[in-house]
Amino acid sequence: GAVVSQHPSRVICKSGTSVKIECRSLDFQATTMFWYRQFPKQSLMLMATSNEGSKATYEQGVEKDKFLINHASLTLSTLTVTSAHPEDSSFYICSAGTSVRYEQYFGPGTRLTVT
Amino acid sequence: AQRVTQPEKLLSVFKGAPVELKCNYSYSGSPELFWYVQYSRQRLQLLLRHISRESIKGFTADLNKGETSFHLKKPFAQEEDSAMYYCALGGYEKLTFGTGTRLTIIP
Repeated sequence: GAVVSQHPSRVICKSGTSVKIECRSLDFQATTMFWYRQFPKQSLMLMATSNEGSKATYEQGVEKDKFLINHASLTLSTLTVTSAHPEDSSFYICSAGTSVRYEQYFGPGTRLTVT
Repeated sequence: AQRVTQPEKLLSVFKGAPVELKCNYSYSGSPELFWYVQYSRQRLQLLLRHISRESIKGFTADLNKGETSFHLKKPFAQEEDSAMYYCALGGYEKLTFGTGTRLTIIP
């Protein structure tokens, strides 16, 4: 149980275009989902926390107009990178939280490459 | 602010030898500490959390509030322990991760 999927696993897009990444909790309902970014050989950096039906809470330094997060249901959250630039190329990981405090199940990640 | 420090980026240990992965934290409140593991080509998964006080796959970790540490230990390393290990701190309703330690077990 407690499986989280992400789609797509890899995406290449051109500079200036937008790309959407989906995160789904497959066998449980997640009231809270988290989006992380991981640079090569670096740690996971929390970008934002999203709660179902409400606006996401962004970490300091993360542009909310660039990284749009939607959490429309208890099993789906999406991250849209708008007007992507090469510096947005990274590994994006989502996680879904449960009712147990700080318990999170992680998706496999999405590798975004902006050319 | 909360911070997690893992001083070793790489650690190589012979099979059968003891393993210790270091983790230190900084947090003003009462922390919850976790160890996550990422095996090759797999997703991040929880290894253990300090409040559970359990041993998973032979690994244990004790929270030392005086030294603000949560080191991960295993008495006898196995080849399947080779992976990336992240220490994480739960505070202010979010997890903060350390930079990770890549553990390699030498046969």
